[in-house]
Amino acid sequence: NAGVTQTPKFQVLKTGQSMTLQCAQDMNHNSMYWYRQDPGMGLRLIYYSASEGTTDKGEVPNGYNVSRLNKREFSLRLESAAPSQTSVYFCASSGGQGRYEQYFGPGTRLTVT
Amino acid sequence: GENVEQHPSTLSVQEGDSAVIKCTYSDSASNYFPWYKQELGKGPQLIIDIRSNVGEKKDQRIAVTLNKTAKHFSLHITETQPEDSAVYFCAASLGGGGFKTIFGAGTRLFVKA
Repeated sequence: NAGVTQTPKFQVLKTGQSMTLQCAQDMNHNSMYWYRQDPGMGLRLIYYSASEGTTDKGEVPNGYNVSRLNKREFSLRLESAAPSQTSVYFCASSGGQGRYEQYFGPGTRLTVT
Repeated sequence: GENVEQHPSTLSVQEGDSAVIKCTYSDSASNYFPWYKQELGKGPQLIIDIRSNVGEKKDQRIAVTLNKTAKHFSLHITETQPEDSAVYFCAASLGGGGFKTIFGAGTRLFVKA
């Protein structure tokens, strides 16, 4: 039982390049989330998927897209990376239906130059 | 929308002392208040949570108190140990769904041996 896994762990992009961050969970959770973490700002929600087949915007969705590929997998795509997207990205999942706690992956540290 | 303020941003205590971290929230409809611990290079991990129908919850050396009237909640760690050194985040959630979770900016706790 690996919990929430994320790939890659580190990535360096040039401005304008694109990439996809991958996330998978093996806890049979309904809901999945993407956050970014910047110094002094806590965690901010980018996009979430309340259940398989649905996605919706969080606090800071601009410049990102997501895909809920199936119940296990939720990917985050940067179409044209910008230096402002330099951050640590966390994927999380929760069971839904009264089970509120979120389980986080180890994070992806992204630098855009 | 919901706003969560967390204080202090940094806290240094001697091993064996108690540590208290305080948070306030703005949306009186919030009803779920988790606390996460984040160690260096890892994702946040839930350590304790409380729901709005409860005023206090304790788990060994960790306790959380909630004052719904004043809209604030606190984390109390007693008999601190060096392994308690980490960043702690409070959060407030409306309806328990992760997409309604707003995080505080975090408190960096140092426990000196």
